[in-house]
Amino acid sequence: QITLKESGPTLVKPTQTLTLTCTFSGFSLTTSGVGVGWIRQPPGKTLEWLGLIYWNDDQRYSPSLKSRLTITKDTSKSQVVLTMTNMDPGDTATYYCARDYGDYDNYFDHWGQGTLVTVS
Amino acid sequence: DIQMTQSPSFLSASVGERVTIACRASQSISKNLNWYQQKPGKAPKLLIYATSSLQSGVPSRFSGVGSGTEFTLTISSLQPEDFATYYCQQSYGSRTFGQGTKVEIK
Repeated sequence: QITLKESGPTLVKPTQTLTLTCTFSGFSLTTSGVGVGWIRQPPGKTLEWLGLIYWNDDQRYSPSLKSRLTITKDTSKSQVVLTMTNMDPGDTATYYCARDYGDYDNYFDHWGQGTLVTVS
Repeated sequence: DIQMTQSPSFLSASVGERVTIACRASQSISKNLNWYQQKPGKAPKLLIYATSSLQSGVPSRFSGVGSGTEFTLTISSLQPEDFATYYCQQSYGSRTFGQGTKVEIK
């Protein structure tokens, strides 16, 4: 059974740095073709892809947020960490992590429950 | 950056109706197109990947077609549990989601 769960602060102040951890089980981030992505959703709005990290440590980021994001992994702990700098009230959203799977036709097949982060 | 545009943004339909949602990419994405369903307060759920492959456990009334820049999701006979918001998402280069289509009860 594959599970993912996000953890971190629920409230951050403007200009602070947000650090969220995705702890997963049921798969390994050392398996070829596997990645973990971060997606957020402001209240009442659409989904926004933030970035992802692959099994080989390759990282991809949303061009609009690239300068503020860092994604790292700790395979021994089955964790992926998202860091977002210079938080703004506009970054208030539910943040999800999800497994990115596939050799070419990739998709997010398992998602965490999400964690609401408020910037105020 | 590849942009994804869904239409309509909102639709009202009755149980048993056939429903079609369109998704257009700003450039060709081959068949790298996925569909998700999201219900209020819940994480998105993968319905269809690679344009037309049904995720395990998803009812066969859901289907997808398309290639290049034009894609559609069809629900052949809308059921009460299908009232939700649907998102397309491309995985050709990076990842981008459409703005969503909310399906409500008529």
